[in-house]
Amino acid sequence: EVQLVESGGVLVQPGGSLRLSCAASGFTFSTSWMHWVRQAPGKGLEWVANIKYDGSEIYYVGSVKGRFTISRDNAKNSLYLQMNSLRVEDTAMYYCAGPRFDPWGQGTLVTVSS
Amino acid sequence: QSVVTQPPSASGTPGQRVTISCSGTSSNIGRNTVHWYHQFPGTAPKLVIHSDNQRPSGVPDRFSGSKSGTSASLAISGLQSEDEADYYCAAWDDSLNGWVFGGGTKLTVL
Repeated sequence: EVQLVESGGVLVQPGGSLRLSCAASGFTFSTSWMHWVRQAPGKGLEWVANIKYDGSEIYYVGSVKGRFTISRDNAKNSLYLQMNSLRVEDTAMYYCAGPRFDPWGQGTLVTVSS
Repeated sequence: QSVVTQPPSASGTPGQRVTISCSGTSSNIGRNTVHWYHQFPGTAPKLVIHSDNQRPSGVPDRFSGSKSGTSASLAISGLQSEDEADYYCAAWDDSLNGWVFGGGTKLTVL
């Protein structure tokens, strides 16, 4: 079964840091572009970042550049998102997704609040 | 505001055909393929159309996609109550060097 499982979402104070993880199974992770997408409460989808299968190409949405870092470990079939200098507006459900945004994980909730 | 525009809402009665539009620019839809997703409340999105008009396995053939110039459309024929969901389009944007999602369309089955 193709599956993505995110973890790491918690309540954090503004300015804090957090690392999200995404465990992949059921497909060839090591040859797949991977994405992080977020959805603020009651809002639409916003692409955050993606990474090529070998890590040689990485792209970010402008609002997270310099604060977030996407990475992967193909030996562990895992995708990561290091989030620093968190802001209230980063509060959202964070999803990892495969190529063409398929499949999606169930999401992990990040809340940035004092 | 997203650089890719969708109508906020759409509706139809069971059995009808509805279309949802996705309007972009020459740097996104005009140059790159469009993917479509639906999302039910409290769940993750799911791919329903990829590469403008390709249906993944398991998606009913009631769903179809098309593209012309800088606009794309998702059509759902034989509308069913279980089609009621939020629908999003997505495309790569060459100017932004990133993916852009439409703002989403809430489809209501009357």
